Amino acid sequence: NAGVTQTPKFQVLKTGQSMTLQCAQDMNHNSMYWYRQDPGMGLRLIYYSASEGTTDKGEVPNGYNVSRLNKREFSLRLESAAPSQTSVYFCASSETARGNTIYFGEGSWLTVV
Amino acid sequence: GNSVTQMEGPVTLSEEAFLTINCTYTATGYPSLFWYVQYPGEGLQLLLKATKADDKGSNKGFEATYRKETTSFHLEKGSVQVSDSAVYFCASLRTGNQFYFGTGTSLTVIP
Repeated sequence: NAGVTQTPKFQVLKTGQSMTLQCAQDMNHNSMYWYRQDPGMGLRLIYYSASEGTTDKGEVPNGYNVSRLNKREFSLRLESAAPSQTSVYFCASSETARGNTIYFGEGSWLTVV
Repeated sequence: GNSVTQMEGPVTLSEEAFLTINCTYTATGYPSLFWYVQYPGEGLQLLLKATKADDKGSNKGFEATYRKETTSFHLEKGSVQVSDSAVYFCASLRTGNQFYFGTGTSLTVIP
C-alpha cells in the first residue's frame, strides 16, 4: 500500500543551499505533480509531468527544477534555497483520464533559514 | 480559465451539527469535481468525487452534488463528529491532467 512516497519528510536548509526532494509512485500512473502548500494559499502547482519524458511549469515554478527520471520517479530540486521557499511540499500522481483521482504523498516540511 | 472557489474558514461546529462547505467552479466545459480531506500532519486524501452533472458523490456520511446550473459542488454532512476535524479542499479536473484546488476550509468540531 505504498502509493506515493516522498522523502525527506523534514528538512532545514540555509539560504543558498541546494537540495532535492524525491518522489516515487507504485501505481503505474502517467502523470506526476509537485505542489506547495502555504497558509491561506491552498495548494499551488509548481511543476507537473504528464508522462515520462515530459515536464511543464505550473503556477509557481520559479526557483525550482524537476526531473522525471522514469515513470515511477519525479524529483524536485531547489538550486539555491530562499526563505520564501519555506513550505510544505506534496508530490502527487494520477492516471491521465477524465475523472481520475489524484493521489498525494504525505508531504515534506521544508524550512529555509 | 479554470478555478475553484470555496468558502473561507475556519469553521467551528458542535458535534452532531449540520455541515455545509460551499464550493463553486469556473471552467469551460464540464470538469470532474472532487472533495479532498487533509488531517493534521498528513497528505490529502480523496473524500468523494463526481464526474458529470447531477452526479452525487458520497463517502463517510459526506455528500456533494454536481450542480451545473449553479456551477457548484457544496459539501454536506448531516451530523459531524470530532473525528471530522480537518481541512477540506474542493478541486476540479477538466480534460487532461491539471487539477485546480481551492484554498481549503478548516473545520473544527467540538464535543
